[in-house]
Amino acid sequence: IAGITQAPTSQILAAGRRMTLRCTQDMRHNAMYWYRQDLGLGLRLIHYSNTAGTTGKGEVPDGYSVSRANTDDFPLTLASAVPSQTSVYFCASSVGQGDQETQYFGPGTRLLVL
Amino acid sequence: KNQVEQSPQSLIILEGKNCTLQCNYTVSPFSNLRWYKQDTGRGPVSLTIMTFSENTKSNGRYTATLDADTKQSSLHITASQLSDSASYICVVRDTNAGKSTFGDGTTLTVKP
Repeated sequence: IAGITQAPTSQILAAGRRMTLRCTQDMRHNAMYWYRQDLGLGLRLIHYSNTAGTTGKGEVPDGYSVSRANTDDFPLTLASAVPSQTSVYFCASSVGQGDQETQYFGPGTRLLVL
Repeated sequence: KNQVEQSPQSLIILEGKNCTLQCNYTVSPFSNLRWYKQDTGRGPVSLTIMTFSENTKSNGRYTATLDADTKQSSLHITASQLSDSASYICVVRDTNAGKSTFGDGTTLTVKP
């Protein structure tokens, strides 16, 4: 593994089903993030984690949950998917502090909720 | 509400030509401003990062400028190539909140 990986690459999901998007990084970055990107909109932060064992809510957290049991993994769970959660989901991790903080993004997961 | 606005929304240029993308922001105070390139179907990749005290930063054919007084940044692409076709995203990090605000991006298409 090199960098950030996400799985699955894409998924079609029936409304009401539970789904977990996986994200793994091997760069030992403390901070990790989940964003969604919708057509015509900028990336919006769903949840974040500054370090293993801690998580926080972003701009659009409703309907999503995360956990950070260790440094490498940051799964995002949709407990009961709805069509409005159709989007492209990007996981990111960051290195550096404050002025020099740079985020590295995964390849994305394309989710379609029907 | 902090905002980051980018213009134009989309742009088509011929290969070899130069172009400039704009980013206006209201985030204040901010700790850094970053430009990302996002190829279709891929995640964003960092091009440049500037703190409030920096005026310009280059990365190959990409040059970013920053005017903290007017809260404007630009990304200039020199001698464009077909591979420059992508979405370019401006991101501003809020010092107080420690959060980043993303612009909607400018979609650049370079044609032969």
